[in-house]
Formats: sequence, structure tokens, C-alpha cells
Amino acid sequence: QVHLQESGPGLVKPSGTLSLTCAASGASIGSDSWWSWVRQPPGKGLEWIGEVHPGGSPNYNPSLKSRVAISVDESKKELSLEVKSVTVADTAVYYCVRGAEYSWHYWGQGTLVTVSS
Amino acid sequence: EIVLTQSPGTLSLSPGERATLSCKASQSVNSRDLAWYQQKPGQAPRLLIYGASRRATGIPDRFSGSGSGTDLTLTISRLEPEDFAVYYCQLYGSSPPMYTFGQGTKLEIK
Repeated sequence: QVHLQESGPGLVKPSGTLSLTCAASGASIGSDSWWSWVRQPPGKGLEWIGEVHPGGSPNYNPSLKSRVAISVDESKKELSLEVKSVTVADTAVYYCVRGAEYSWHYWGQGTLVTVSS
Repeated sequence: EIVLTQSPGTLSLSPGERATLSCKASQSVNSRDLAWYQQKPGQAPRLLIYGASRRATGIPDRFSGSGSGTDLTLTISRLEPEDFAVYYCQLYGSSPPMYTFGQGTKLEIK
């Protein structure tokens, strides 16, 4: 069974950088499947942030591309997310997801990140 | 960019009834690229259907997906109490690679 766990600071100051990591058990981040980050502002819908896959370049949501970086640390078996120059609009629950066949079969529990001074 | 519009916004039904949720795309889509998710309060979404009609692992057969072109549908044949939640459709687009979601349908107990 695949288990995903997000971690990182729950509070980030405006104009700062949001940094999260995702650890997986039961799956190999970086060498197995596609891995994405998805976010959900409180009380709102879902938004895809970006993805990485083995041997390829990351793909990003065009609306976030200038501020986002997703990477894999294969030695640590971790997926990472950075969002720069954050504003209150970046306040959301951030999910790490594992993809297959153009959909997401496994989700982390999510971690709430609040942007506030 | 293809836009997905879900309807209705809220659907009020009773346990045992049939639920039909619609997801309309602004242009014709490849059924392979369409998925449905269920989300309960405080939980991560759960994949129900992928490839427009394929049930994910462990999903009961009362859930079914259908449709093609611009009109996709999620049907719950006989509602159970645990089915009341928010449902999202999701589409993968390849040029450029992009995933989009509908705005969601809230299925509530009548």
C-alpha cells in the first residue's frame, strides 16, 4: 500500500518562500510513476500545481509557473515543492499525489499552509 | 485551456436514490483523460473513476462513469449515507501538460 506524507512549515510570511516535502512508503519517488502537487484553498476547489516524472522535466500550471519549483531528491526519496513570493492567495491545503493513467490514485493527507504576517 | 463545468452545484437527494452528476467540457475531450474524485470534509480527495469509466481500486460498483465528447457523467445508482460529499471531475490536457478541475458538485442529504 502506498502512503504519502507531506511536511513543512504551517505558516509563511507574505513575500517569503513556501517549502514542502513529501515522503512515500510503498512507492519509489522519482523512479516510479508521476508525482504532483495539488492545492486547495480553504472552502474552495482543487488546483494542480505541477508534476515530475522519471527522466523528464517538470510540468507546471501556467498560472504558477514563474513562482514554483518541483523536484525529486532520489537519495532521500522525497518530493519537494517551493513556491516563491507567496501572498495570502497561496494559503491552502497542499497535497502530494501519485499519478497514473492521467489521474491521481494516491493522495497524502495534506498539509495546511497559511500565509500571514 | 479546456474549462470543465459541473452541474448542479448542489444536489439534494435521499439515501437509496440515484444521483447523476454532470461535467461539461468547453471542447471535446479524450475520455482516457477524464477522472472523478470524491471529497469528504477534512479529508483528501479519493479517486473514484479514471479513463471516464474505469473504477479505481476498492470503489463500489454503484459508482459508474460514462460519456464522451463534451458531456461526461458520474452516476451513483443507489445512494448510501457515506456517499454524501463533494465530487470533482478532472481532465488532463497534453498541450501543454495541464490538469484542470471542475468546480465541484456538493451532494447533500435531503
